[in-house]
Amino acid sequence: NAGVTQTPKFRILKIGQSMTLQCTQDMNHNYMYWYRQDPGMGLKLIYYSVGAGITDKGEVPNGYNVSRSTTEDFPLRLELAAPSQTSVYFCASSEQHRVADTQYFGPGTRLTVL
Amino acid sequence: EDKVVQSPLSLVVHEGDTVTLNCSYEVTNFRSLLWYKQEKKAPTFLFMLTSSGIEKKSGRLSSILDKKELSSILNITATQTGDSAIYLCAVVLADYGGSQGNLIFGKGTKLSVKP
Repeated sequence: NAGVTQTPKFRILKIGQSMTLQCTQDMNHNYMYWYRQDPGMGLKLIYYSVGAGITDKGEVPNGYNVSRSTTEDFPLRLELAAPSQTSVYFCASSEQHRVADTQYFGPGTRLTVL
Repeated sequence: EDKVVQSPLSLVVHEGDTVTLNCSYEVTNFRSLLWYKQEKKAPTFLFMLTSSGIEKKSGRLSSILDKKELSSILNITATQTGDSAIYLCAVVLADYGGSQGNLIFGKGTKLSVKP
């Protein structure tokens, strides 16, 4: 049981390049999330998914896209990288509506856009 | 808009000191409050609080929720250098709160413990 895994761990992009951040969970969780964390800013929700085939925008979705074709995978796509997207990205998952619901976080991807 | 505010934003103490971190919230549909510790990588879960006045304890860390005051505190006694981290507070909403999702994070408190 690996929990939530993310790849890559680090990446440097040039302005205008595109890339996909991968996220996989093996806990059969319905809910998955993408956050970005900027220094001193907590975590901001980018997109979330309540199940395979269903995604919705979070607080800061501009410049990103997601898909959820399976329960396990929730990739985040950056189409035209901009310096403002330099951040640490965390993927998380949670089981639906449990009393002790907590989110399980992946290890994060540190992205730099130059 | 739902929000979670943590204070102080940063704190420097010496080993052995006791610290109290604060978290206050203004949300429309409260379900529970979570505390996380974040060192170099992903946040790790510390406590979940749902009922007022019931202290949760784990070693030198403890936390309590006050629903009347819409706040929670995290106490760390006899601090050690290994306690240096960012402590995040998050409120879980009872439903999906629109664009913010159902988990609203504060900005965190950066704790530095000096030897």
